[in-house]
Amino acid sequence: DSGVTQTPKHLITATGQRVTLRCSPRSGDLSVYWYQQSLDQGLQFLIQYYNGEERAKGNILERFSAQQFPDLHSELNLSSLELGDSALYFCASSVASSLNYGYTFGSGTRLTVV
Amino acid sequence: GDSVTQMEGPVTLSEEACLTINCTYTATGYPSLFWYVQYPGEGLQLLLKATKADDKGSNKGFEATYRKETTSFHLEKGSVQVSDSAVYFCALGPGGSYIPTFGRGTSLIVHP
Repeated sequence: DSGVTQTPKHLITATGQRVTLRCSPRSGDLSVYWYQQSLDQGLQFLIQYYNGEERAKGNILERFSAQQFPDLHSELNLSSLELGDSALYFCASSVASSLNYGYTFGSGTRLTVV
Repeated sequence: GDSVTQMEGPVTLSEEACLTINCTYTATGYPSLFWYVQYPGEGLQLLLKATKADDKGSNKGFEATYRKETTSFHLEKGSVQVSDSAVYFCALGPGGSYIPTFGRGTSLIVHP
């Protein structure tokens, strides 16, 4: 157990639907990062939050949004889902914004859009 | 921009063989370098890191040396085990950025 909790582990939904993925960071970590992992694109950074505020944005679609709550858990909202959104979605956390600590990853949510 | 290039896999080895997974990078400034490992069905785990030139990161028998002159951070292990079968990701973290750049990953398959 890495200390980063992601729910649900698996999600199957239809095109056009909306889903919410949840992440609880490791205790004491203030930064949360979301990544999408697919076979053709590899590991793609989506967005980062630090202590409740958006810190950096990567290749995140407009149909996707995220937020970090006062208790530091984060949610990634995916709407108007398309078949191509099927992927593994990882959350990672770190103590601060310093990369020297590395990341701690959760075990991911596998999203299947049918 | 910053980038990481890893050798394409899969790398297939017999148990107790030597392993090298090549990683080269392009970055501005003085990045930190990382290797992550992903076992089947799990998230990425930090395997080792090096924060400055000539540093050697090591963990679980794996080693990698930060070579600034060749912009490389190759992962090595002298004797692999079946349990080392996983996907290995090289990553860099520029000092001025909060977001690491990951390579595409290299799959390692070790046969008994």
